[in-house]
Amino acid sequence: GEEVAQTPKHLVRGEGQKAKLYCAPIKGHSYVFWYQQVLKNEFKFLISFQNENVFDETGMPKERFSAKCLPNSPCSLEIQATKLEDSAVYFCASSHQTGDSISYEQYFGPGTRLTVT
Amino acid sequence: GQSLEQPSEVTAVEGAIVQINCTYQTSGFYGLSWYQQHDGGAPTFLSYNALDGLEETGRFSSFLSRSDSYGYLLLQELQMKDSASYFCAVRARGQAGTALIFGKGTTLSVSS
Repeated sequence: GEEVAQTPKHLVRGEGQKAKLYCAPIKGHSYVFWYQQVLKNEFKFLISFQNENVFDETGMPKERFSAKCLPNSPCSLEIQATKLEDSAVYFCASSHQTGDSISYEQYFGPGTRLTVT
Repeated sequence: GQSLEQPSEVTAVEGAIVQINCTYQTSGFYGLSWYQQHDGGAPTFLSYNALDGLEETGRFSSFLSRSDSYGYLLLQELQMKDSASYFCAVRARGQAGTALIFGKGTTLSVSS
């Protein structure tokens, strides 16, 4: 599609439950990024993919967070055993390749608001 | 570490000009981007500077000085719809500087 799609829009989980978020990048974009935004403040980078391969996972809290981008499927971000501090809006963004490098412009989806109670 | 500083709030009236400054400290630098976000919605790309100087796109312009680790976003002929949060972001980490490091955002309020 022409826009980054994210589902669900809202997700409510009790502490300790699992949360799974989905992202469909713009068709033809080979890079996918996940960011976390708490309280409308700064975005925290979590992980990026080049097609189905992890490109940069330096922002991921690896104990409970995992992510995948499989061929012909939406990308996913999963949080095992959610904590109150995981409450945030999770944005997915995609970007395309320009020549040998990645485009500087990232296209963001509408986000998934995760509330942990 | 890596950090970006920008003012938390700016207010202006319709038709005015406003400048939002951004200073950054990063280990490695590829370029400075600006994104607009309305009320927690999807951030949208406004501009990107990789080299020193001014880039103009309609009512919005962005400036970069790499030697000063400083940039700004200039918004001219302000309209009510420009009320939003504006984030500067640096490409400075990971492989080939792909991920964005964001500032905390500047909330712009435009009044009539």
